Amino acid sequence: QVQLQESGPGLVKPSQTLSLTCTVSGGSKRSSDYYWNWIRQSPGKGLEWIGYIYYSGNTYFNPSLKSRLTMSVDRSKNQFSLKLKSVTAADTAVYYCVGNIAAPGRSAFDIWGQGTVVTVSS
Amino acid sequence: EIVMTQSPATLSVFPGERVTLSCRASQSFSRYLAWYQQKPGQAPRLLIYDASTRATGVPLRFSGGGSGTEFTLTISGLQSEDFAVYYCQQYDTWPRTFGQGTKVEIK
Repeated sequence: QVQLQESGPGLVKPSQTLSLTCTVSGGSKRSSDYYWNWIRQSPGKGLEWIGYIYYSGNTYFNPSLKSRLTMSVDRSKNQFSLKLKSVTAADTAVYYCVGNIAAPGRSAFDIWGQGTVVTVSS
Repeated sequence: EIVMTQSPATLSVFPGERVTLSCRASQSFSRYLAWYQQKPGQAPRLLIYDASTRATGVPLRFSGGGSGTEFTLTISGLQSEDFAVYYCQQYDTWPRTFGQGTKVEIK
């Protein structure tokens, strides 16, 4: 069973960059068998898909966040990362790393990390 | 983007009852619809994908249906562990979008 674990600062100051890492472990499938996503959840906006990165480094972002987003993958460490710049209080949320199968066609989000709370405040 | 609207916001039901949750999409699509269950302090859990296929380990009392712009999740014989918030999500087009959730609470 693949497991995902988010890590990163729980508090970020306004206008700074939010940085999170997700570590992938376990399971019989390879990292290249999945798309690795970030999804956030806040009381105000509910669940919001942020974007994904594939094992190859290909990315696709939510247009609403695209201008502030960077994602990267470290294959040697089985990790993928998110950077969101110029944060405001509206970026306060629980951030989840989430996997979905990279099969032909489309797939639902079937592997979720436990989530990490990020608060944007001075 | 496709806007997903769930109704009702809250359902109060007795254990053992059958409930049906609704999810409406702002644009039509065929089957790329998922349902998730979320309990307090936990991440969402995939229940149903492709509108009607149960994910691994999901009990038979959960069933999904619909296509186009109208989708449903039915829980037959609510158990105590089923009281939670349920979200629908489309993965037909980008960006992927979620409904705002339906809370199923004990009456």
